[in-house]
Amino acid sequence: EAGVVQSPRYKIIEKKQPVAFWCNPISGHNTLYWYLQNLGQGPELLIRYENEEAVDDSQLPKDRFSAERLKGVDSTLKIQPAELGDSAVYLCASSHGQGAINTGELFFGEGSRLTVL
Amino acid sequence: AQSVTQLDSQVPVFEEAPVELRCNYSSSVSVYLFWYVQYPNQGLQLLLKYLSGSTLVKGINGFEAEFNKSQTSFHLRKPSVHISDTAEYFCAVIPSGGSNYKLTFGKGTLLTVNP
Repeated sequence: EAGVVQSPRYKIIEKKQPVAFWCNPISGHNTLYWYLQNLGQGPELLIRYENEEAVDDSQLPKDRFSAERLKGVDSTLKIQPAELGDSAVYLCASSHGQGAINTGELFFGEGSRLTVL
Repeated sequence: AQSVTQLDSQVPVFEEAPVELRCNYSSSVSVYLFWYVQYPNQGLQLLLKYLSGSTLVKGINGFEAEFNKSQTSFHLRKPSVHISDTAEYFCAVIPSGGSNYKLTFGKGTLLTVNP
């Protein structure tokens, strides 16, 4: 069974440019998460989806960040415009049902490493 | 709100030596506790978890952790490490009840196993 797939793995852009990250969760997982991982830090939740509904986006900087999960499967995270401080790894994770997080059954992708110059 | 403190940012050890990675948490409610491992250039994967029952939990790759409620700790241990255990280890917590599904991670401990 395929795991969580993210692309691109690496992205280098200049500040003020837009960037988008894509995530394909494990088949059948209706809960999808985007996490931000800064260098030397643990992951921090940006947004959580239950199917196509964003049920927790309280940590998403909505002035420049946006996300969507059309049809409740794949998801895209966009930054426009990017700033120097956005350089980080963006992790996508999925789980089977919102209760699954209570058992730690989150499956993470390999992440998308963004460098903003 | 919950918080997690991983007391060591880096732990270098020699192969076959024992290791302990320390984790303390703060929470006003009961929590579930987890350790995740992140190998270089890979995503995080669940190493072990404490939900209830025995305070000593065993995970993959020979790791174990002990939940100590009075000390609010969940330290990770392995009696003999291998080179392949070199990775970043994250402790995480989540409230055990209600509808708060926010998993809070510590800053991570980089375990480096040297030959």
